[in-house]
Amino acid sequence: QKEVEQNSGPLSVPEGAIASLNCTYSDRVSQSFFWYRQYSGKSPELIMSIYSNGDKEDGRFTAQLNKASQYVSLLIRDSQPSDSATYLCAEDPPFSGGYNKLIFGAGTRLAVHP
Amino acid sequence: ETGVTQSPTHLIKTRGQQVTLRCSSQSGHNTVSWYQQALGQGPQFIFQYYREEENGRGNFPPRFSGLQFPNYSSELNVNALELDDSALYLCASSLVGRDTEAFFGQGTRLTVV
Repeated sequence: QKEVEQNSGPLSVPEGAIASLNCTYSDRVSQSFFWYRQYSGKSPELIMSIYSNGDKEDGRFTAQLNKASQYVSLLIRDSQPSDSATYLCAEDPPFSGGYNKLIFGAGTRLAVHP
Repeated sequence: ETGVTQSPTHLIKTRGQQVTLRCSSQSGHNTVSWYQQALGQGPQFIFQYYREEENGRGNFPPRFSGLQFPNYSSELNVNALELDDSALYLCASSLVGRDTEAFFGQGTRLTVV
């Protein structure tokens, strides 16, 4: 069973700090990874996608992919209380063939306190 | 807003009944995937529709079935509802191809009593 693993948290950070969220995956040949943000009672919202080793930055968010170590991370700089949510890591596994049949982790709950 | 819409937003059904959930995909997208999200868990892939046919299924029984229509909208049908079917049902649409992304609708909260 291919899996995506996340620490459930909660991860508590002060406002203005950097929040670091991590995710590991078991399928060595996986290529495509995504971070979704989910507020309580709402649906997942895509924040970042990453397909190549290294870093990808978008505003306050940086996604990092390390295929050799099979982990994906999301950094949130200058964290705000509005960033408080559950962050879901997902992969589009090789068997999906680019069809986005996503496998999700259980999510990490982030709490940003003033 | 993602352009993916689901209906209804909330639903209460009795055990043993049948339910149909609906999804309209984002303009230009040609696949629709359905996910079940239990409380405190990540979404679980139910199945995907592409070109009006089922294109892959997760670990869900046959009483979960679906349809895709020529305009790429989709339905999820669940027969013989069980209490454990209570969950948030999510629809996601995407375009087939490398390095594409999936976008979710607002979800349907199903409660089985």
